[in-house]
Amino acid sequence: DTGVSQDPRHKITKRGQNVTFRCDPISEHNRLYWYRQTLGQGPEFLTYFQNEAQLEKSRLLSDRFSAERPKGSFSTLEIQRTEQGDSAMYLCASSLVGVSFTNTEAFFGQGTRLTVV
Amino acid sequence: QKEVEQNSGPLSVPEGAIASLNCTYSDRGSQSFFWYRQYSGKSPELIMSIYSNGDKEDGRFTAQLNKASQYVSLLIRDSQPSDSATYLCAVKRGSARQLTFGSGTQLTVLP
Repeated sequence: DTGVSQDPRHKITKRGQNVTFRCDPISEHNRLYWYRQTLGQGPEFLTYFQNEAQLEKSRLLSDRFSAERPKGSFSTLEIQRTEQGDSAMYLCASSLVGVSFTNTEAFFGQGTRLTVV
Repeated sequence: QKEVEQNSGPLSVPEGAIASLNCTYSDRGSQSFFWYRQYSGKSPELIMSIYSNGDKEDGRFTAQLNKASQYVSLLIRDSQPSDSATYLCAVKRGSARQLTFGSGTQLTVLP
């Protein structure tokens, strides 16, 4: 399967614990996004990477959230000191952007469902 | 005003009918428009993209874009029960690199 892969698929954690999620994008894709989705809402943008550079972060991304994409391949999203409000589906998407920055479609992974108890 | 607005539904249509899903957006600088399908508990799946005014057809799906009216729609012909899902409209605004999503319209196709 050459689609976007996320791990784990489900995570239950106690409030105050740290969690880390991993995303492996489609292999030739140079742009990687993180979104968060809560029940009944559309995905909300958190951050994106162009290769290894993190180019934009949403104000939704508090200081407790950090994302990395070392070497421009897989990415990790870490949430420190989790709160119940962090419970959501965390979605990763990737796209291929050409030299002219022509818009291309973004494809989503299966998501990581986080439950903070 | 939300940046991307969709009727939440639920929208119910009988099997074989045409389902019409609508979306409006607020940023006139938006250039790219996408429809995603999301089954309950699953991640969004891209089904259509449209970049210029007019219609774009792909199988049973037709996307329609009217930038002057800031309106994009998705028509599903010969609706099947397997089309029952939430349909998300997504817009790439101006120079932004990320997508802005509506809240989605829940579609139910009745057998």
